[in-house]
Amino acid sequence: TQLLEQSPQFLSIQEGENLTVYCNSSSVFSSLQWYRQEPGEGPVLLVTVVTGGEVKKLKRLTFQFGDARKDSSLHITAAQPGDTGLYLCAGESGGSYIPTFGRGTSLIVHP
Amino acid sequence: NAGVTQTPKFRVLKTGQSMTLLCAQDMNHEYMYWYRQDPGMGLRLIHYSVGEGTTAKGEVPDGYNVSRLKKQNFLLGLESAAPSQTSVYFCASSYSPLTSDEQFFGPGTRLTVL
Repeated sequence: TQLLEQSPQFLSIQEGENLTVYCNSSSVFSSLQWYRQEPGEGPVLLVTVVTGGEVKKLKRLTFQFGDARKDSSLHITAAQPGDTGLYLCAGESGGSYIPTFGRGTSLIVHP
Repeated sequence: NAGVTQTPKFRVLKTGQSMTLLCAQDMNHEYMYWYRQDPGMGLRLIHYSVGEGTTAKGEVPDGYNVSRLKKQNFLLGLESAAPSQTSVYFCASSYSPLTSDEQFFGPGTRLTVL
């Protein structure tokens, strides 16, 4: 059973479109992280959200942590080809201090 | 400052062969992790270490062993490789176990077992 469910699994859009990807769980997380992984490379941290209801913005990317700290979303405005990659959410639940990763959303932005 | 490095980058093994993957970090991090990444499966934790001389099992530890003899190095061993171990392996490190702490990942090792 996957602790963190990400949707959609795949997304193929044109440059300039907006999109939202989701990370959901039935468990409460002390914090959630979003990573982006480009082909042939390791994941790189984009943001960490720690407070229920928190919204963080990183240029065209907006991250939100659900009020109950069970879900998170990533919204990209006016997507660009450079946004192409695998978006992974990760979180820790239950005091183990070991993060669990979702399966990721693979995004392709066509010029 | 190289961050997290992994060797080798690519490797092809025959079933039953053994090999060791090396991970090194120069950030003085206490915590180190080995993950495997398979298509559609995200990152799954194999083993991790909370400090020099300590190791612990993750989600998918069977068929792998690890050692952390020096703080900066974390080795992943495959004693008898199987085709099911064909995957991309990532090493990561972090300063603390706090879930809000960033994990720094290496570039990965692509392993094929024939």
